[in-house]
Amino acid sequence: DTGVSQDPRHKITKRGQNVTFRCDPISEHNRLYWYRQTLGQGPEFLTYFQNEAQLEKSRLLSDRFSAERPKGSFSTLEIQRTEQGDSAMYLCAWGQGPYEQYFGPGTRLTVT
Amino acid sequence: DQQVKQNSPSLSVQEGRISILNCDYTNSMFDYFLWYKKYPAEGPTFLISISSIKDKNEDGRFTVFLNKSAKHLSLHIVPSQPGDSAVYFCAATSGNLIFGKGTKLSVKP
Repeated sequence: DTGVSQDPRHKITKRGQNVTFRCDPISEHNRLYWYRQTLGQGPEFLTYFQNEAQLEKSRLLSDRFSAERPKGSFSTLEIQRTEQGDSAMYLCAWGQGPYEQYFGPGTRLTVT
Repeated sequence: DQQVKQNSPSLSVQEGRISILNCDYTNSMFDYFLWYKKYPAEGPTFLISISSIKDKNEDGRFTVFLNKSAKHLSLHIVPSQPGDSAVYFCAATSGNLIFGKGTKLSVKP
């Protein structure tokens, strides 16, 4: 048990459609992160929340991506007008401090 | 420009022997280093970490060594077990985690 669940685990969508993923920490960890992992690569940082405030966004997070964490609990990541290059594993992680992060099982997105 | 490099895509080791996974980094501002293990279709699992003020940290069968002058760290697994077969990621941080590309470890019975 890593302390975070993600939904859905798999998503297949057609190019141009919008998708939304959800991340639920089991308890209210104050730091929540989103990463993307493509084949043959390590996870790449997308964005980070401390409580409900989005404190940092990567250059990887284009205008088509938006993340929210209302009330500082669960978080959502939305991708608008999906492209084939968005196909990846999207990982959510929590941390109490700035160092160790604990990852959820991920959502695998396939854009056809 | 990769700041964290794992130059060996794969490593095969006999059960009971030592596994040594290597990682190099370029950014001298990194102040904390971590190793994660990942099985297929799962998220990475935190294994062990080390602060830049230390040169060794041990947890059971896992030991991480840090050589700051060489900007190199390694993970030693002794003794290796078949259940250790997975992809191992090295990560470094001075704020957000930067990951290497991973090394696939296969432990043969």
